[in-house]
Amino acid sequence: GAGVSQSPSNKVTEKGKDVELRCDPISGHTALYWYRQRLGQGLEFLIYFQGNSAPDKSGLPSDRFSAERTGESVSTLTIQRTQQEDSAVYLCASKGGVRAFFGQGTRLTVV
Amino acid sequence: GENVEQHPSTLSVQEGDSAVIKCTYSDSASNYFPWYKQELGKRPQLIIDIRSNVGEKKDQRIAVTLNKTAKHFSLHITETQPEDSAVYFCAANNQAGTALIFGKGTTLSVSS
Repeated sequence: GAGVSQSPSNKVTEKGKDVELRCDPISGHTALYWYRQRLGQGLEFLIYFQGNSAPDKSGLPSDRFSAERTGESVSTLTIQRTQQEDSAVYLCASKGGVRAFFGQGTRLTVV
Repeated sequence: GENVEQHPSTLSVQEGDSAVIKCTYSDSASNYFPWYKQELGKRPQLIIDIRSNVGEKKDQRIAVTLNKTAKHFSLHITETQPEDSAVYFCAANNQAGTALIFGKGTTLSVSS
């Protein structure tokens, strides 16, 4: 596709369940970011991938959060034992050169 | 680590007026400064960016200025239109180049 694609668009899950969020970057983009955006708030950096390695995981808020990436393709963000404070929009961006382009995000609601 | 401060948090202007949003950053090694526009419920969209080797960049009604010495950069929108209403975020890369650190956003309202 032409842009960054994320799935699902919306996810409602029960507290304590695990969730997986998917990101398909722009073809050829080697770098990929995950961000979290709480309602009405800014963009909070979570993790950065260069290829399939993650040289910067400094933004992951707890060990319940993890992410992986297959080569220079799909990335998944996994949140284990979800809590209500995990409710937010999770945004993925891929970078070609210096410019980063965002997907439409996954809105996660933990009930 | 890098910290980006953005002001004002809200800005209301009349159609046709200019709008200016200012950001400061802390890491003198930052060398890339993009601006994103986010409409309600939509993804952030890159509208303009500047690298540290230039002081100003313009694209139609939008311009960005950078003062490396003072570590601040600004977004200027001229002849504002109602469709410019959105949240605008500034960002700066961190020293390692592994993250874009965002300001908290400015909600711009343009009334006709």
